[in-house]
Amino acid sequence: DTAVSQTPKYLVTQMGNDKSIKCEQNLGHDTMYWYKQDSKKFLKIMFSYNNKELIINETVPNRFSPKSPDKAHLNLHINSLELGDSAVYFCASSQDLRTGAAETQYFGPGTRLLVL
Amino acid sequence: AQSVTQPDIHITVSEGASLELRCNYSYGATPYLFWYVQSPGQGLQLLLKYFSGDTLVQGIKGFEAEFKRSQSSFNLRKPSVHWSDAAEYFCAVDPYSGGYQKVTFGTGTKLQVIP
Repeated sequence: DTAVSQTPKYLVTQMGNDKSIKCEQNLGHDTMYWYKQDSKKFLKIMFSYNNKELIINETVPNRFSPKSPDKAHLNLHINSLELGDSAVYFCASSQDLRTGAAETQYFGPGTRLLVL
Repeated sequence: AQSVTQPDIHITVSEGASLELRCNYSYGATPYLFWYVQSPGQGLQLLLKYFSGDTLVQGIKGFEAEFKRSQSSFNLRKPSVHWSDAAEYFCAVDPYSGGYQKVTFGTGTKLQVIP
């Protein structure tokens, strides 16, 4: 069974379009994250949610809007896509980011977004 | 400024040789420390982590890391590298001082293994 899954795996689209990436975890975790990995492999946190509540929002353009319908799902919607949005987007989950116990994060396989 | 540094962008080792990947951090107190591995086309997987206790930490796939407070380092080691270890390795830190965790990743070290 896949622990953290993302769809789609690949996404090619034109500038100005709106797209969504979905993430689901079946680990029973309370916390979920979105990361962006650029072409140089630099991995940067974008958002984290704990039990559907937004906890971390890292200076991300408001064209990016996360939505968590329940604690097992965290979707990422991107409006008016730009060339610079091309990257690999990773979803991750952990037990609870507020326990302070060095929680392990479990990553999905990534969504490769290419904006033309 | 707080940061985590992986000084080696790319390392090449022969199969069977030993490996050490460097990681240094700059934080006021000892953060929580992690090593993750990313195989080509895959997400990241935790190798090991340190948050207290014994400074030599054992992980999966035969990896270990040693926390050295005096050097602000958390270097990853493996005594004998296998071809399947070729991947990107990320050091990560969480300064956690109450509240919630927020992990910062280093820029990664790409490991190439030659026969």
